[in-house]
Amino acid sequence: QSALTQPASVSGSPGQSITISCTGTRSDVGGFNYVSWYQQHPGKAPKLIIYDVSNRPSGVSNRFSGSKSGNTASLTISGLQAEDEADYYCSSYTSSATSLFGGGTKLTVL
Amino acid sequence: QVQLVESGGGVVQPGKSLRLSCAASGFNFGSSAMHWVRQAPGKGLEWVAVISYGGANRYFADSVKGRFSISRDNSGNMVYLQMNSLTVEDTAVYYCARDLDTYGYFDHWGQGTLVAVSS
Repeated sequence: QSALTQPASVSGSPGQSITISCTGTRSDVGGFNYVSWYQQHPGKAPKLIIYDVSNRPSGVSNRFSGSKSGNTASLTISGLQAEDEADYYCSSYTSSATSLFGGGTKLTVL
Repeated sequence: QVQLVESGGGVVQPGKSLRLSCAASGFNFGSSAMHWVRQAPGKGLEWVAVISYGGANRYFADSVKGRFSISRDNSGNMVYLQMNSLTVEDTAVYYCARDLDTYGYFDHWGQGTLVAVSS
């Protein structure tokens, strides 16, 4: 059960777009369309922003979008805003009926 | 509105046990799978365990398998995490989270409870 692989950090300027990758295996990301993404601000509980690879829960901005190709899922944030600065985590259902998180990516808005 | 409130955290010595509780309200608790997720200080999220809506199915991360157990009381809207043989590596904030579906979509989280394992 090794964590899914995410870049440690990404950065972008306000208004730009960034993409965070999340790489797993055929036993998790590649084997199921059950990938989700979470945003976590310091000292706060995580917030679900994407599920089913690309679906947004009600109330989540359409600036957040998700996709998947093979064993890699991606989160794209368009029109970056200062409030987007946070940690982002991917998660996937696995063939063992467990869940697995990525190591997390710190997004800095320059 | 959905509310999840964890309790039971604290400081405990290595090798000891602790039971965490999570009180749920604002939704049909008996229809939702429930998870525990933890976060060590300054570290990322780690999934710990899940229990199905009826309690029949329970799964654990390899890091806690054989030491932790999960249970629920659907009449009282509670979910529990029994943690035995604790080690310093179990030090973390433990979150209770509701599953949006059954595939590990954590759509509501509690505020977390801190477990510190220290001699």
